[in-house]
Amino acid sequence: DGGITQSPKYLFRKEGQNVTLSCEQNLNHDAMYWYRQDPGQGLRLIYYSQIVNDFQKGDIAEGYSVSREKKESFPLTVTSAQKNPTAFYLCASRVASINQPQHFGDGTRLSIL
Amino acid sequence: AQKVTQAQTEISVVEKEDVTLDCVYETRDTTYYLFWYKQPPSGELVFLIRRNSFDEQNEISGRYSWNFQKSTSSFNFTITASQVVDSAVYFCALTAGLNYGGSQGNLIFGKGTKLSVKP
Repeated sequence: DGGITQSPKYLFRKEGQNVTLSCEQNLNHDAMYWYRQDPGQGLRLIYYSQIVNDFQKGDIAEGYSVSREKKESFPLTVTSAQKNPTAFYLCASRVASINQPQHFGDGTRLSIL
Repeated sequence: AQKVTQAQTEISVVEKEDVTLDCVYETRDTTYYLFWYKQPPSGELVFLIRRNSFDEQNEISGRYSWNFQKSTSSFNFTITASQVVDSAVYFCALTAGLNYGGSQGNLIFGKGTKLSVKP
């Protein structure tokens, strides 16, 4: 079955530690996205990538980094510079056509130890 | 500025009641797309519907219907005869910046409406 796989489902970070969230898609989608969801805040865009080896900052990129070395993979690293990383992180992908919907993974819940 | 407002933070209904979720948007674009997504307790967002700015026809899919009105910049979502399985957070989203550039069609989300359907 085609879809988007995020792992792990739950992740705990110690102070000063970088952690990486995985996002893999087998939908052959060109564009990929990372969102952060906080209670009552909706979804906020962290980074997005329209093609391999290219990505742009979203609205809240500070403290995060990404890479897009393969079409199917878009990992997100939450660095120690992100002082309030506790949130639910969602990865999405979409075909190149901007009128098509984004499809989402099941999310990763990140907490501070 | 481009913005999506879902003024209802939480709604609680009893099973079989009809319920309407409101969505009001702001955009300078003449071409844009609107979406509704459902987020059940498990967390993933499920795509429900897309509407483009040139098509104001209302749409019905089973118990779900959508009312798009450009005159009031609204794209409301009605669930008829609600069921417990409809309990979720519902998000309205707008594709941004198609005419005025820059965002490459990224989505702007409202803050969501949490719907609770009691048996």
